[in-house]
Amino acid sequence: DAKTTQPPSMDCAEGRAANLPCNHSTISGNEYVYWYRQIHSQGPQYIIHGLKNNETNEMASLIITEDRKSSTLILPHATLRDTAVYYCISMEYGNKLVFGAGTILRVKS
Amino acid sequence: SQTIHQWPATLVQPVGSPLSLECTVEGTSNPNLYWYRQAAGRGLQLLFYSVGIGQISSEVPQNLSASRPQDRQFILSSKKLLLSDSGFYLCAWNRGPGANVLTFGAGSRLTVL
Repeated sequence: DAKTTQPPSMDCAEGRAANLPCNHSTISGNEYVYWYRQIHSQGPQYIIHGLKNNETNEMASLIITEDRKSSTLILPHATLRDTAVYYCISMEYGNKLVFGAGTILRVKS
Repeated sequence: SQTIHQWPATLVQPVGSPLSLECTVEGTSNPNLYWYRQAAGRGLQLLFYSVGIGQISSEVPQNLSASRPQDRQFILSSKKLLLSDSGFYLCAWNRGPGANVLTFGAGSRLTVL
């Protein structure tokens, strides 16, 4: 069973920041937060992960609350190609990834 | 660099026919290998994973089986397909032990008629 909760869908205007929330209120101290996305008819793509500090890479930023019970994935300047299903997963390092339903992000022009 | 290949990309099979999907990874050794399935409009379900040659763990009871005859080869099979086996099958890998980030293949879309 997935241990995270995400909204089923979100819309975002092209060029604006997309902020995707994720609740993981039962996360344990050893569990990381991972984000993947799946563009239609493709395999999922890794985006970013973190434990307790905020993280940033070329694709996105990950903001984790101090109590680690929730996080937000930020796509700073969303494009139409960012339309996808975004999965938030909490997992101990080295364990198997279990995907939930994710959030369908629709970027609109 | 590491790459992952899956084939065939698409196939249409009659009910009761056998199935073989193949996945290979290049550019690494002793990877962890995974098979996921995504039914139409559904999420990703982990079917099998393997940490080494001949070592297969099944996550859910089903009509499918997996084998790992070589270090970088992972095969998904069925002796007799069911309609419910239709879906998008994804192979993935990561470095083990203790690795986390999964890299997925392009997927194989199976339609059982």
